[in-house]
Formats: sequence, C-alpha cells, structure tokens
Amino acid sequence: EAGVTQFPSHSVIEKGQTVTLRCDPISGHDNLYWYRRVMGKEIKFLLHFVKESKQDESGMPNNRFLAERTGGTYSTLKVQPAELEDSGVYFCASSSERGGSETQYFGPGTRLLVL
Amino acid sequence: GNSVTQMEGPVTLSEEAFLTINCTYTATGYPSLFWYVQYPGEGLQLLLKATKADDKGSNKGFEATYRKETTSFHLEKGSVQVSDSAVYFCAFFSGGYNKLIFGAGTRLAVHP
Repeated sequence: EAGVTQFPSHSVIEKGQTVTLRCDPISGHDNLYWYRRVMGKEIKFLLHFVKESKQDESGMPNNRFLAERTGGTYSTLKVQPAELEDSGVYFCASSSERGGSETQYFGPGTRLLVL
Repeated sequence: GNSVTQMEGPVTLSEEAFLTINCTYTATGYPSLFWYVQYPGEGLQLLLKATKADDKGSNKGFEATYRKETTSFHLEKGSVQVSDSAVYFCAFFSGGYNKLIFGAGTRLAVHP
C-alpha cells in the first residue's frame, strides 16, 4: 500500500509569487491534515479535512493560504502571495478514523523556501 | 493552552550509550501520546504511542511510558546506534480537536 505522497519535495520561490503544494493521502483515508514546521520550531497544525469538507482550519496563518480537497481525494495548499515567513516544511498526514488514538501517517514533506 | 515541551537538542551520544529524551505535556483530559521520528531526508514516521495512563509504547528498542501524574512521556533506549541519528518529536492527540500537538523536536546525533 502506497504511503502519503507530497509534491514537490522542494520549492524555492521569490516573495510575492504563488506556490501550490499537493498531497495524496493513503487510499481510503477520509482524514487529511496539513501541518507546518517553521525555522526548526514545533510542527504546527494548519487544517483538517474530512473527505472534501474542511473540519478545522483554525491553524491557517492568514488568507494567503488556501487549501482544497476536491472529491475528497488529494489536497492542494496554495500560498498566494508568498512571504518570507512562509518558509518551512509543510507536512501532510492522513488517517482512517476519528478518535483519540488514531494514528496519523505523514508524508515526506515539502520544503518551501521563499526568497 | 495545549503544549508539549521537549528537551532541547542537539543530543550527542556515543554508540551504545543510554538515551533519554524528556517530554512533558499540557493538555485537558488524558490524550493519546506519540513519539515521531524524522530520519535525515525522510518524512515523519510514527515511532511509538500510548493511549492511556501507565501504558508503555515500544518499538525498535525505544520505550516510553505514559505518566499521568507527571504529565510526561520520556523516550528511552538502552543502547543507541548510529542509525538512530534523527530528529525526535513528542506529540499528543488533542481530544475533541482531531489534531496533533507537537513539541519542537530533539535532534539526536550518535557517533561511532
């Protein structure tokens, strides 16, 4: 079974440009999460999809970030326009059930550098 | 608010040394606790977990025990290897919010 995949693995863009990150969760996983680690700090939650619906987007930094999950399969996270402080590693995770002991499976992350 | 505090790294050890990485958490209720590991150039992998008080999670020689009274989940390994060099993240699952709360990570470097 394929794991969570993310594309691209790295992205270097200039301030003001747009970048779109993609995540393909494990097949059949209804829950999809985005997290971010900035500057070696803690990994922080961005948002959570259940199928195609946004369940919780309380961690999204501002309205420059837009996440979608068309058809409840893969998800995209667009940053427009990108700022310097958006640099970091963006992780996607998926899980099959809701509940207190669920295991989230993470992708390899996308390393974003905004110059 | 909800948070995780991990010991700062980097932790540098010789091969076969004993490892402890401290982790304490602040949360409401009794969340499930996790250790994730990120090897160089790879993504996050679940290392072990514990879902209730006094549970011990274990994997690959690593262990951590859920201590409710001290709100801790310290990671231990009796004899580390060079291949254990990685960044280790302590986390808990925030009940009712369906998200993981992570610590800042602890980098471990094991040299021969």
